[in-house]
Amino acid sequence: RKEVEQDPGPFNVPEGATVAFNCTYSNSASQSFFWYRQDCRKEPKLLMSVYSSGNEDGRFTAQLNRASQYISLLIRDSKLSDSATYLCVVNQGGKLIFGQGTELSVKP
Amino acid sequence: NAGVTQTPKFQVLKTGQSMTLQCAQDMNHNSMYWYRQDPGMGLRLIYYSASEGTTDKGEVPNGYNVSRLNKREFSLRLESAAPSQTSVYFCASSEGIAGGPTDTQYFGPGTRLTVL
Repeated sequence: RKEVEQDPGPFNVPEGATVAFNCTYSNSASQSFFWYRQDCRKEPKLLMSVYSSGNEDGRFTAQLNRASQYISLLIRDSKLSDSATYLCVVNQGGKLIFGQGTELSVKP
Repeated sequence: NAGVTQTPKFQVLKTGQSMTLQCAQDMNHNSMYWYRQDPGMGLRLIYYSASEGTTDKGEVPNGYNVSRLNKREFSLRLESAAPSQTSVYFCASSEGIAGGPTDTQYFGPGTRLTVL
């Protein structure tokens, strides 16, 4: 079993749609959690950290469920510019473990 | 402020050749990292350096060596390249000690390496 698992997609959605990505992790001792965004053939960039209480940044909402070892990212009112791959990242013992990424394509 | 820079951007090697990938950051960060990214596998940590003068193995260190030349620079060397090392290599840096729970890692643009 992979340490961090994501649905690879692709998710094809129309502009304005709401889309949710899920991620599970295997190590219950994981300390912190993040979502990174990676545009095609570019470097990953931090989108947001994920806090236990859940957190929101504009159209983006991240949730963490430690009991189920599950992380989610919700994007509301999708824009064309949201098209990218979204990477779920878990800090385990001081090292970042990356999921394989979920590809999102937002169509006009 | 250039952030994290990597050279070269692209490289083609023949099996058995050696090369060094260069990485530099201008953010005065203490920690630096090398990752590789393969299709369907996500980024995997090769080596990291918590601070100047220290280096540690990551998940996939075999076939690689690193040097933390100074606080700014962290190089990755392939002594005898193999086709299995065909990948995209990313360097990253973070402000605090490696893996601090709130450290943000900043990535360079990547080096696309093909080994024939």
